[in-house]
Amino acid sequence: QQPVQSPQAVILREGEDAVINCSSSKALYSVHWYRQKHGEAPIFLMILLKGGEQKGHDKISASFNEKKQQSSLYLTASQLSYSGTYFCGTEALSGNTPLVFGKGTRLSVIA
Amino acid sequence: EAEVAQSPRYKITEKSQAVAFWCDPISGHATLYWYRQILGQGPELLVQFQDESVVDDSQLPKDRFSAERLKGVDSTLKIQPAELGDSAMYLCASSATAGAGGETQYFGPGTRLLVL
Repeated sequence: QQPVQSPQAVILREGEDAVINCSSSKALYSVHWYRQKHGEAPIFLMILLKGGEQKGHDKISASFNEKKQQSSLYLTASQLSYSGTYFCGTEALSGNTPLVFGKGTRLSVIA
Repeated sequence: EAEVAQSPRYKITEKSQAVAFWCDPISGHATLYWYRQILGQGPELLVQFQDESVVDDSQLPKDRFSAERLKGVDSTLKIQPAELGDSAMYLCASSATAGAGGETQYFGPGTRLLVL
């Protein structure tokens, strides 16, 4: 079942922060985050595994709340290069299930 | 840095024609995925290979789509005949292993297909 992302779109000025949420109705094993610029391949950002964890590098970090089956991606002090569509992909806990992607969140950072 | 290669990058065809896409995964990656991405949507899995074997093709429209990975390395996805609704980006991805979950998938640049 497809995870639900929110918001669908967000516009930021450089230096502002943003949070993108990803929720699933299924118990999850992992959450994968990607960024895709128009016409390009999705670029891997990070994976979070069950057990509830947080990860981050530079000014992009994420958390995974196993109890709520929800992950959040945090972008701080946004830069123009952060613009793009962010996708979460989820793997269900039950069985050997494929990665299912949400519909994406379009992030636009303006000067 | 190793990358997933795909060709062609763009393909324009007329409906009822046959088209084929090629993918070369990152060297040593056992698992290869083909996804279809419609504009404004996330990628949707079409088929997953583990080495040369199909692991999951439940979402592949088998009446017109076929995929193979004969030697467990590169792969070809074919559509015959193409329909207007097949216009999309076709993405190939690979991961080192599969089955345990939590494997990073690395995507290629994709083939953008336009069916007229």
